[in-house]
Amino acid sequence: SQQGEEDPQALSIQEGENATMNCSYKTSINNLQWYRQNSGRGLVHLILIRSNEREKHSGRLRVTLDTSKKSSSLLITASRAADTASYFCATDPDTGGFKTIFGAGTRLFVKA
Amino acid sequence: NAGVTQTPKFRVLKTGQSMTLLCAQDMNHEYMYWYRQDPGMGLRLIHYSVGEGTTAKGEVPDGYNVSRLKKQNFLLGLESAAPSQTSVYFCASTKGRAEAFFGQGTRLTVV
Repeated sequence: SQQGEEDPQALSIQEGENATMNCSYKTSINNLQWYRQNSGRGLVHLILIRSNEREKHSGRLRVTLDTSKKSSSLLITASRAADTASYFCATDPDTGGFKTIFGAGTRLFVKA
Repeated sequence: NAGVTQTPKFRVLKTGQSMTLLCAQDMNHEYMYWYRQDPGMGLRLIHYSVGEGTTAKGEVPDGYNVSRLKKQNFLLGLESAAPSQTSVYFCASTKGRAEAFFGQGTRLTVV
């Protein structure tokens, strides 16, 4: 079963607008990560937020984490056509073992 | 510094054939993973390894075997390919509980 579930499944916006994607997960975690995947390519790491952090920024990206609600959001500000991609959240469950679990992703379309 | 390299990039197999996918990383990472990606389902973990000589099952291990004889290499084997194993396979590596570096993927079709 998927640990992380992204919402929405797909998002279409105009260039310059902000894009917000949400991720919910089921078990307690060590950290949560966001990745981007361009069509036909491997995943690229965007940002990692640890369980004791609430917000993190990287360039035009802002990630929040609410461990009480088991949810995270990724905000991309001033979107560009080049941001068109699929975005995945991934969790490192705090259940022993060592495996990163991915959600099904959000497909973002940024129209020029 | 090549990062994570997967070979081959594309392969077509007949049902029942076997093959091995190779993943190589040059970052001295302890942890390596094999995922499969199917349309609309994100990535599902097949097997992973926390060090040379060790492997463990992920979410969907059936029909696959793996080996980690050298720290830099992680092999994924299909002993008897089935159409349900048609997918895109991704290898990744991490240094501890940190960001994962991915290969470019192997597109496998089983007919």
